Amino acid sequence: DTAVSQTPKYLVTQMGNDKSIKCEQNLGHDTMYWYKQDSKKFLKIMFSYNNKELIINETVPNRFSPKSPDKAHLNLHINSLELGDSAVYFCASSQDSENTEAFFGQGTRLTVV
Amino acid sequence: GDSVTQMEGPVTLSEEAFLTINCTYTATGYPSLFWYVQYPGEGLQLLLKATKADDKGSNKGFEATYRKETTSFHLEKGSVQVSDSAVYFCALIDSGGGADGLTFGKGTHLIIQP
Repeated sequence: DTAVSQTPKYLVTQMGNDKSIKCEQNLGHDTMYWYKQDSKKFLKIMFSYNNKELIINETVPNRFSPKSPDKAHLNLHINSLELGDSAVYFCASSQDSENTEAFFGQGTRLTVV
Repeated sequence: GDSVTQMEGPVTLSEEAFLTINCTYTATGYPSLFWYVQYPGEGLQLLLKATKADDKGSNKGFEATYRKETTSFHLEKGSVQVSDSAVYFCALIDSGGGADGLTFGKGTHLIIQP
C-alpha cells in the first residue's frame, strides 16, 4: 500500500495550459502539503492544508491553487502554465501540524515546453 | 525566519569511508530536526529525526545528535556503502506549529565509489 500517492508521475505540457496533479494519502493524517523542488534540488513549501485551513506561501503565484475534496486528498491546480513552473512537485502528509515528520509522495515531474 | 544550512556537494567518498554531513539551523521556536534522503528518481524518505536537545536519531547505520548549544544536527555514518549514494536533506519544523511545513537545507549530493 502506497502511503502518499500522486499522479501523474510525469507531465509534459505547453505554455498557457491548465493542469492538475492529484494527491491521496491513506495514513489518516490531518495535514497535507505541496512542495516544489527546483532544478537545483531545493525544496520549498507551497501550501499546507489542515482541517480546512489553508496556509499559503506568499511567494506562490495565484495561478497555483490547492483543492481538497476531503481530508485524504489535496490536489494542485495550475493555470496558465509558464516555463518557470517546470519542476518536481511533491505532495506530503503528516499526522498533524506540530513537530511530526512528513511522508512524501514519489513526486510529479512537470515539464512546460 | 527559520533556515537550515548544510554543506553543499557533491561529496565523493570511497566505500567504507566515514561520512559526516554538516547541518546547522536557525529557528524562532524549539524545532524538531530531520534528515531526509532522496534516492535517484524517487521521493523523499525520512532517514532519522530528533525532537529535543541531546536526542540522537539513528537508522540504517546513520546517526545525528540534536545539539542545541551549537544549533547543529550533523549526519554521520561509520562505513558508507555504494547504496548510500543519494541526496541528503536536513530539515526542521518549528515548535510554533508545522503549518508552515518543513524548512529544508539545499541538499547534499553524496556519491560513494566502489
